[in-house]
Amino acid sequence: DGGITQSPKYLFRKEGQNVTLSCEQNLNHDAMYWYRQDPGQGLRLIYYSQIVNDFQKGDIAEGYSVSREKKESFPLTVTSAQKNPTAFYLCASSNPGTNYGYTFGSGTRLTVV
Amino acid sequence: GQNIDQPTEMTATEGAIVQINCTYQTSGFNGLFWYQQHAGEAPTFLSYNVLDGLEEKGRFSSFLSRSKGYSYLLLKELQMKDSASYLCAVRGASAGTALIFGKGTTLSVSS
Repeated sequence: DGGITQSPKYLFRKEGQNVTLSCEQNLNHDAMYWYRQDPGQGLRLIYYSQIVNDFQKGDIAEGYSVSREKKESFPLTVTSAQKNPTAFYLCASSNPGTNYGYTFGSGTRLTVV
Repeated sequence: GQNIDQPTEMTATEGAIVQINCTYQTSGFNGLFWYQQHAGEAPTFLSYNVLDGLEEKGRFSSFLSRSKGYSYLLLKELQMKDSASYLCAVRGASAGTALIFGKGTTLSVSS
């Protein structure tokens, strides 16, 4: 079955270390997105990519980096420059269609200690 | 700038009807979405509106008025399992196909 996979589900890192969150989809979707969610907050857009080899900053891109070398993959690196990285990270994908609705991954909960 | 407002919390009882409002100010408008999110899980799609009017899907309905920048999600015959956060999201014109989300409304359903 087609879907979008985020791994790992839980991730612990020491302060000052970079960490990369994986997001893979086999839906043949062109567009992919990364969001961050903090308690009591909605989803905030970090980066998005409309097509392979292209990506754009969202509202809170500082301290994060991405790549889109393959259509299926959109990894997110949380760098040591991100001041408050502990959060729930969600990846999503979409394709031109009736409404460009999202398919979400199950999320990665990152805790920096 | 872009702004999406919805109430932080709402409570209701089983069997009742509840309406969750959402107002938005965005650069352009290309559709409004409602998602349900249970704690610790990914959001799941509930409804999509791009034209004015009411969209009905089972116990859930969503309304849109583009001229007022306003939408609501109507949940009928509430069940305990409807206790969740409800997220309003808008596709504007400043972030391609990306959705901008409100902070969500936490709905608590009691017996």
